[in-house]
Amino acid sequence: EVQLVESGGGLVQPGGSLRLSCAASGFTFSSYDMHWVRQATGKGLEWVSAIGTAGDTYYPGSVKGRFTISRENAKNSLYLQMNSLRAGDTAVYYCARRVSTTSAFDIWGQGTMVTVSS
Amino acid sequence: SYVLTQPPSVSVAPGQTARITCGGNNIGSKSVHWYQQKPGQAPVLVVYDDSDRPSGIPERFSGSNSGNTATLTISRVEAGDEADYYCQVWDSGYVFGTGTKVTVL
Repeated sequence: EVQLVESGGGLVQPGGSLRLSCAASGFTFSSYDMHWVRQATGKGLEWVSAIGTAGDTYYPGSVKGRFTISRENAKNSLYLQMNSLRAGDTAVYYCARRVSTTSAFDIWGQGTMVTVSS
Repeated sequence: SYVLTQPPSVSVAPGQTARITCGGNNIGSKSVHWYQQKPGQAPVLVVYDDSDRPSGIPERFSGSNSGNTATLTISRVEAGDEADYYCQVWDSGYVFGTGTKVTVL
């Protein structure tokens, strides 16, 4: 079964750091671009970061310089290092697989909650 | 930055047709994808590249895209279709629509 399972969420103080992980199974992880997408409670979806098969990375302006996406193909794992966290970063964070032929996300994890609060 | 605008809500009776619009500047020139999200669950891709369906998605879900509006159509609506729906495109980044809550009356 194709699956993504996130972990690492929790409560962190403003200015703090957190590292999220996403374990992939059921597909050739190294062959796919992978992404993080977040959703604040009661709000819409927001793309957070992307990493290509060659390790190239992309971020929107809202997290650039604070978040770092990485991958470890030997462990079928995706990571998101989040630094200088703000209250506005509070959300459920999903990892997602991008369809190889288009810009859609066909597989999503169940999400992990990140709460930034003092 | 590119903006995708959706109506906040759409209500439809069972068995009828629901149409959810996604407005964006010249969106017809882009590939539009649609996701269904039920409460407490992750999004599910229901239509990609304007009108293609992933395996396992019922034919009741269809899409179109032209000009400044893309549309997701749900035919013969069922109670289980009640969910939030998001459109998405690529435009110098991955952009999601504002979301539409579909209520089955």
